[in-house]
Amino acid sequence: KQEVTQIPAALSVPEGENLVLNCSFTDSAIYNLQWFRQDPGKGLTSLLLIQSSQREQTSGRLNASLDKSSGRSTLYIAASQPGDSATYLCAVWTTDSWGKLQFGAGTQVVVTP
Amino acid sequence: DVKVTQSSRYLVKRTGEKVFLECVQDMDHENMFWYRQDPGLGLRLIYFSYDVKMKEKGDIPEGYSVSREKKERFSLILESASTNQTSMYLCASSLNHRQGMEPLHFGNGTRLTVT
Repeated sequence: KQEVTQIPAALSVPEGENLVLNCSFTDSAIYNLQWFRQDPGKGLTSLLLIQSSQREQTSGRLNASLDKSSGRSTLYIAASQPGDSATYLCAVWTTDSWGKLQFGAGTQVVVTP
Repeated sequence: DVKVTQSSRYLVKRTGEKVFLECVQDMDHENMFWYRQDPGLGLRLIYFSYDVKMKEKGDIPEGYSVSREKKERFSLILESASTNQTSMYLCASSLNHRQGMEPLHFGNGTRLTVT
């Protein structure tokens, strides 16, 4: 069964510093990997989707990389701002579990002014 | 932009009540999902549907049922609510029958409290 791990569980950085969030998964047979942001008490907002054939995706200050062979993805957020404070979750679609997106537990990020 | 709307942000129900959670998406998505999110347990899939009148069990279907009579609407039903069903419920949708090819879009969630 696919297991998705996000370490660390929580992270605090000063404003302006680059954020590096890690996601690892045990089964490399994936369709894609998706990064989400969740604000307290709210739903999840999709940030980036990386297809299994891609190595990275970029959107503004966000860049996500994918290394399927080593079972890792990294989300980089450049020049962090207090508004980036949220929980970030990664999730993978595994080829042998139709419909069952497997989520990590998330990394809670606080960006201090 | 895709919009996934959950009818209630907060609900308080009594034990034994029948509870309906409604979700509507406006982008003609084939796939719709219901998750619950609990501290320490993360997101867990309850049910999903890839077409009208089709449904598949997720990881924790016990105590729940679903209904998808129209493509845009996916309802989660708690037949007899219990206190262990107190949770945040999240609805999501995605385009395309082929899994994993399109991003998943979530609603804002319904915080259900069963007393």
